[in-house]
Amino acid sequence: AQSVTQLDSQVPVFEEAPVELRCNYSSSVSVYLFWYVQYPNQGLQLLLKYLSGSTLVKGINGFEAEFNKSQTSFHLRKPSVHISDTAEYFCAVIFNAGGTSYGKLTFGQGTILTVHP
Amino acid sequence: DTEVTQTPKHLVMGMTNKKSLKCEQHMGHRAMYWYKQKAKKPPELMFVYSYEKLSINESVPSRFSPECPNSSLLNLHLHALQPEDSALYLCASSQGTHPYNEQFFGPGTRLTVL
Repeated sequence: AQSVTQLDSQVPVFEEAPVELRCNYSSSVSVYLFWYVQYPNQGLQLLLKYLSGSTLVKGINGFEAEFNKSQTSFHLRKPSVHISDTAEYFCAVIFNAGGTSYGKLTFGQGTILTVHP
Repeated sequence: DTEVTQTPKHLVMGMTNKKSLKCEQHMGHRAMYWYKQKAKKPPELMFVYSYEKLSINESVPSRFSPECPNSSLLNLHLHALQPEDSALYLCASSQGTHPYNEQFFGPGTRLTVL
């Protein structure tokens, strides 16, 4: 079965500390991987994506993620967080089954990151 | 202009009402999407339009009826909804449906069904 799992529903962290948000997937086909952020009462914004090539991808707002094919993971990291990073973060996957599968983003359950002063 | 706009922001409707949600983009995108996001849950894909044709319907009940009258506009017509249909409805658009094309999301319409 194809699935996306975010292992932590909530992650509290202090300002300027590093953070890692975890994402694992299960798939029998190749995948395209994404991280989105959702601020309260807003839509989603793309942070970064892995499509092919280098497994370390850098995104906006100082975030980066590493694709690990053997571990089927795509964890999101930031070396030093700010109060303004408080939001919900979604890992998302497109399972490459060809054809119309290209349009289908499947989201994990989300991780609420709370940055404390 | 990298904005997707959605109207209305909030909508309250009864189970016998008919209403419509509207989504608009002026980025020249040819793919448009409807997602449903229930409280404290991730977004779930409902429909995908590619070049104004419906390409994906994720087995959505017929009380939700999408329409793409032109490449900039996407509607979601609602009829005889149930209280469990209360959710945030998100629209997105992209240049095409290939994963290389970023999906840009609107702020959503928060729907309450009484």
